[in-house]
Amino acid sequence: ETGVTQTPRHLVMGMTNKKSLKCEQHLGHNAMYWYKQSAKKPLELMFVYNFKEQTENNSVPSRFSPECPNSSHLFLHLHTLQPEDSALYLCASSRNSGLANTGELFFGEGSRLTVL
Amino acid sequence: RKEVEQDPGPFNVPEGATVAFNCTYSNSASQSFFWYRQDCRKEPKLLMSVYSSGNEDGRFTAQLNRASQYISLLIRDSKLSDSATYLCSVEYGNKLVFGAGTILRVKS
Repeated sequence: ETGVTQTPRHLVMGMTNKKSLKCEQHLGHNAMYWYKQSAKKPLELMFVYNFKEQTENNSVPSRFSPECPNSSHLFLHLHTLQPEDSALYLCASSRNSGLANTGELFFGEGSRLTVL
Repeated sequence: RKEVEQDPGPFNVPEGATVAFNCTYSNSASQSFFWYRQDCRKEPKLLMSVYSSGNEDGRFTAQLNRASQYISLLIRDSKLSDSATYLCSVEYGNKLVFGAGTILRVKS
C-alpha cells in the first residue's frame, strides 16, 4: 500500500460534468499538493496546502476547485472542464511545505483524466 | 528561459554503460535540488538530493554547478531496471519546480 492514495485512477468526463478527485495520505504529513502532468511537459504545480490552509494557487482556472478538510485529505473538484485539461493529476504530500521541507515529495499514483 | 530545462532524450544505452544527464535552472537564488525517477505509468519518486559538495549513492552520482547553473546525474554500470524518466527538480521560492524529464532506455 502506498503512503498516498488517489481515487479514481481513471476518469472520463464530458465538458458539462462535475466530478471530484480524491487524495488521502497516511504519512502524517502536513503539506499536500496537486500537480498536473501532461505528455512531454513538466509537472505543473496547481495548489499547495499546509496545515489545511491554501498557501499556493498557481494561477489555476476556477473550473478547478480544491478542498482540504484536514491534513490527510485533499480533493480536486472539477466543473466544466475543457479537452485540454486532459492529463494525469498527481497528488503529493510532504512533511511541511516551504523551506522547512526536505524536498521529498511523496506522490500518489495519479488520476488520469480524459475530458471529451 | 524556462525555469528548469532538461534534454528530453531518449538516451538509448547498452547495459553496463555510463550515462549522464544535465539539467539547467534559471534562478541563481535556488538552494535545493533533487533528482526524481518516474517509471512508465507510475508516480515520481525521489532518487537523490543534490548537495553543493556532490552526492553519491551506489552507481548514482549527482553534482551541482552553481556558476553555470546546472545539476547533473551520472549513472554507472547501467542496468535494464534503470530505464525510466529522470526528473530534475529545483526549489523556487518555497516551491519545487520540475523539468519535463529525460527518458533513459537501457538495452541488453
